[in-house]
Amino acid sequence: SSELTQDPAVSVALGQTVRITCQGDSLRSYYASWYQQKPGQAPVLVIYGKNNRPSGIPDRFSGSSSGNTASLTITGAQAEDEADYYCNSRDSSGNPLFGGGTKLTVL
Amino acid sequence: EVQLVESGGGLVQPGGSLKLSCAASGFTFSGSAMHWVRQASGKGLEWVGRIRSKANSYATAYAASVKGRFTISRDDSKNTAYLQMNSLKTEDTAVYYCTRSLGGYCSGGSCYSWFDPWGQGTLVTVSS
Repeated sequence: SSELTQDPAVSVALGQTVRITCQGDSLRSYYASWYQQKPGQAPVLVIYGKNNRPSGIPDRFSGSSSGNTASLTITGAQAEDEADYYCNSRDSSGNPLFGGGTKLTVL
Repeated sequence: EVQLVESGGGLVQPGGSLKLSCAASGFTFSGSAMHWVRQASGKGLEWVGRIRSKANSYATAYAASVKGRFTISRDDSKNTAYLQMNSLKTEDTAVYYCTRSLGGYCSGGSCYSWFDPWGQGTLVTVSS
């Protein structure tokens, strides 16, 4: 199906590790990219490809993929990581498709 | 600095038209595919459409929700992409972002691309 499914909300204790997942058939042949969006701001790329971080993104952010599931892992979550996170892949027509987003709360 | 700046948003009545602009700087705009992505208040990101480079025949593609009503164009001499929106509906109310796509690579049996950078967005409100 042409959908990317994310958990609506996830929470993590400060300094702990959290995994945000994205499920969809297209992920079997297309690596997800991940975007962080804080309130009132534009999305920011945090992970792309197999596990690539743009310049300026902390190394506590990492990506992985298995079967139809892509994951964004934050190892040692910080208060500033509290944000919405979106995965992106392709739909059955080859056009970009975003997941519904996951709201990450850092406790 | 790689940068995208949108403009042209505002209040428009249902059935009306609006044209958004996206001015690029800091990279080779003419060789880049440019996309528009929108976000209704409190909602997620929705891909709207894209235009490829001259080398790819300026090919366009649109989401089903806007096909036939929205048109994306570009002026490489001005490093600017445009989103012409006609027959606007209340459900088109959103912040509209422009972004550049990169990649289109394949490795280990999987392909990938990504969006970077993003503009700050411009708000379009469709209301009577």
